[in-house]
Amino acid sequence: DIQMTQSPSTLAASVGDRVTITCRASQSISGWLAWYQQKPGKAPELLIYKASSLEPGVPSRFSGSGYGTEFTLTISSLQPDDFATYFCQQYSILSWTFGQGTTVEFK
Amino acid sequence: EVQLEEFGGDMIQSGGSLRLSCVVSGLIVSGNDMSWVRQAPGKGLEWVSVIYKDGRTFYADSVKGRLTIYREHFKNTLFLQMNSLRTDDTAVYYCARARYGDGSFQGFDYWGQGTLVTVSP
Repeated sequence: DIQMTQSPSTLAASVGDRVTITCRASQSISGWLAWYQQKPGKAPELLIYKASSLEPGVPSRFSGSGYGTEFTLTISSLQPDDFATYFCQQYSILSWTFGQGTTVEFK
Repeated sequence: EVQLEEFGGDMIQSGGSLRLSCVVSGLIVSGNDMSWVRQAPGKGLEWVSVIYKDGRTFYADSVKGRLTIYREHFKNTLFLQMNSLRTDDTAVYYCARARYGDGSFQGFDYWGQGTLVTVSP
């Protein structure tokens, strides 16, 4: 299986901050990566697919980049609704695998 | 509006069996690629299984031979038959639509609220 490693595991930030989360794959996955946001007690929500394509309805402050083994999710100006846990997911090959998650919390 | 709702989660002893169901409205289960994804308490997400429109099924190695995904068209429902359950199967189980576009998987775009399976020793 392809291992996905996110960093950091936890991130403390304030409203208005620019936030960047990194996801590394154990082997090249081309651009086959998605990002999800999950809030406590809720199902994940798809934010970005194919590394940089924004899911319809997702605010434009979210963006994704990367190719191969290194990817980033950026929130350009953190809003109160963005405090949550974020997961990356590779879908280059089955078995699809997720990163361990990055929790964005209040500083 | 698309809605997915899981049922069947319970507390069960190791070695037991359980069947989860995911009742779907707003999209046709047999016309979509559907998956189960699970999340152990306080942990990350783990993909479990997928059933494609054409009926092919795939499983994570950790559940292969023990869990079976299937669907019933006339009930528009997705199922996960879980046998030989182990304590490390304890998790919230979500059903989700695996969206494909431009010939490639794009992500899980519709999710249920999840159902908790607890396996005791």
